[in-house]
Amino acid sequence: EIVLTQSPDTLSLSPGERATFSCGASQSVSSSYLAWYQQKPGQAPRLLIYGASSRATGIPDRFSGSGSGTDFTLTISRLEPEDFAVYYCQQYGSSPFTFGPGTKVDIK
Amino acid sequence: EVQLVESGGGLVKPGGSLRLSCAASGFTFSSYAMNWVRQAPGKGLEWVSSISSTSSFIYYADSVKGRFTISRDNAKNSLYLQMNSLRAEDTAVYHCTRGPSDYIWGSYFWGQGTLVTVSS
Repeated sequence: EIVLTQSPDTLSLSPGERATFSCGASQSVSSSYLAWYQQKPGQAPRLLIYGASSRATGIPDRFSGSGSGTDFTLTISRLEPEDFAVYYCQQYGSSPFTFGPGTKVDIK
Repeated sequence: EVQLVESGGGLVKPGGSLRLSCAASGFTFSSYAMNWVRQAPGKGLEWVSSISSTSSFIYYADSVKGRFTISRDNAKNSLYLQMNSLRAEDTAVYHCTRGPSDYIWGSYFWGQGTLVTVSS
């Protein structure tokens, strides 16, 4: 089983600041099948990034993903008020298709 | 527009059974892998199970293996999760999700979920 870790647990930032999230895998993620999701309270998660670095349809270009193998990063270049949420990574290359524990971004 | 609408959740006693359904529309259901993902109250996301377009590939999380069964009816554009021997730790919102194609298991589209509560 590939275990995903995310850091930090919580990020306290102000609108306009840059946010960087890390996702580490215990084994290499095959074919970069790594996704990032955003979840706001009371809502279903939303796909942001797939294939480690491809933005999903309708996702603003302030969101970007990078990485390969065991180390992946999600970056929000300038935080907008609507970006304060919880962010999860998931590997979907080998079963079980595990999620990371999430990083919460809250307003400083 | 892709739509996934879950139903069948509710309150069930420990040891009981429940069958969740997911009605899919807005795409050719028979061409896509489908998944169930759950979220316990106040907790993170947990992948539960996945099924390929023709049901030839099926995967389960260890936490549900032997108790849950995923299935689909492509003629009815529907995905199912039969849940037996339910435990308190199965209490969660269960989301139906769709992958980007067959044999690719990411959750590109999500339903709003149905709440399952296991309690005596």
